[in-house]
Amino acid sequence: QQQVKQSPQSLIVQKGGISIINCAYENTAFDYFPWYQQFPGKGPALLIAIRPDVSEKKEGRFTISFNKSAKQFSLHIMDSQPGDSATYFCAASHTGTASKLTFGTGTRLQVTL
Amino acid sequence: KAGVTQTPRYLIKTRGQQVTLSCSPISGHRSVSWYQQTPGQGLQFLFEYFSETQRNKGNFPGRFSGRQFSNSRSEMNVSTLELGDSALYLCASSAGTVNSPLHFGNGTRLTVT
Repeated sequence: QQQVKQSPQSLIVQKGGISIINCAYENTAFDYFPWYQQFPGKGPALLIAIRPDVSEKKEGRFTISFNKSAKQFSLHIMDSQPGDSATYFCAASHTGTASKLTFGTGTRLQVTL
Repeated sequence: KAGVTQTPRYLIKTRGQQVTLSCSPISGHRSVSWYQQTPGQGLQFLFEYFSETQRNKGNFPGRFSGRQFSNSRSEMNVSTLELGDSALYLCASSAGTVNSPLHFGNGTRLTVT
């Protein structure tokens, strides 16, 4: 019940295209859903996060869509750039254990010219 | 502000030995969490320390332990190393409140031979 399932495992998108990564969770106690970006040799860096009281959150080219009834959330990267090529992780936690994130398995994004 | 600093960056140890990893959080952050990252299991939560007390714990054996000092710096210890302990160990700090995000360091790459 603690799993967060992430898809696809890898993604190739042309420059300027939209990258979409999906996650699904099982634990209904989860109430915090961040997305992290990781470059080789670096630790994960927080991109954007959402709580269940909103269905969408946008920060620049990055948008999280959240569907509470379906227990799904997704990351959209608009106007994808080669510099966005990285591994993306969705995660979830609940208020009582905010630092105890359950991570998805990651999506390796490659943005081609 | 300086980010989360982890030392050393790389370690090679022999099976059966023990190892200590160090983490200096962002100034002012009172919470330090540790994660293990492997290709097979992904990112997994080890434990969290807040104000020198372990606040949350993941599902790792007792060979994995940690502590936090009064200046919020943290150490993680792994005893009786096994080959399967080879991983990237990530430290993350946060203010420790409900909405405070995790900021990760670049990790310590541990190889057990």
